[in-house]
Amino acid sequence: AQSVTQLDSQVPVFEEAPVELRCNYSSSVSVYLFWYVQYPNQGLQLLLKYLSGSTLVKGINGFEAEFNKSQTSFHLRKPSVHISDTAEYFCAAGTGNQFYFGTGTSLTVIP
Amino acid sequence: KAGVTQTPRYLIKTRGQQVTLSCSPISGHRSVSWYQQTPGQGLQFLFEYFSETQRNKGNFPGRFSGRQFSNSRSEMNVSTLELGDSALYLCASSWSAVEAYNEQFFGPGTRLTVL
Repeated sequence: AQSVTQLDSQVPVFEEAPVELRCNYSSSVSVYLFWYVQYPNQGLQLLLKYLSGSTLVKGINGFEAEFNKSQTSFHLRKPSVHISDTAEYFCAAGTGNQFYFGTGTSLTVIP
Repeated sequence: KAGVTQTPRYLIKTRGQQVTLSCSPISGHRSVSWYQQTPGQGLQFLFEYFSETQRNKGNFPGRFSGRQFSNSRSEMNVSTLELGDSALYLCASSWSAVEAYNEQFFGPGTRLTVL
């Protein structure tokens, strides 16, 4: 069975500092990988996705993620966070016709 | 282009009641998926409809059901509500069946509280 693990449930970080949100997936077949962001009282918005090709994927709002097949990881990074990045972040894996979401990482940017 | 809309946004029910939630996808999108989001479990897939047919179903009891209309609007129904059904229910639409390379667009969700 597919599973997506987000290793950190909460990540506090100071404004303008770099951040990495970790995500690991388990799969014996090819998967597509995604990061979504959820702001309070809103739905999920796609940040970036890996389908194939270059393992470094750039998304919106300055975020990027690197697909590492050997480590089955897809960590999300941003070199300098802003207050407005405070939100819940979800990693997801899609294979076939189904999505599997991690339990989320709450990113809090401290002024 | 209007986004995915969900109604109502908030709902309070008591145990044993039933509830119907509505989702209107982005115009032209034919696939609608439903998810349950709770603090402890994250997002869990309920089911997906494409062209009025349920194509995929998650691991939820039969109390959870849904349907899709010819205009792609979808409803989900939960009967005999339990306290554990309290959650944010998210709807997502995409162009075609839930294939990973088709981006899912999420609505704002319906917050259901069961007392």
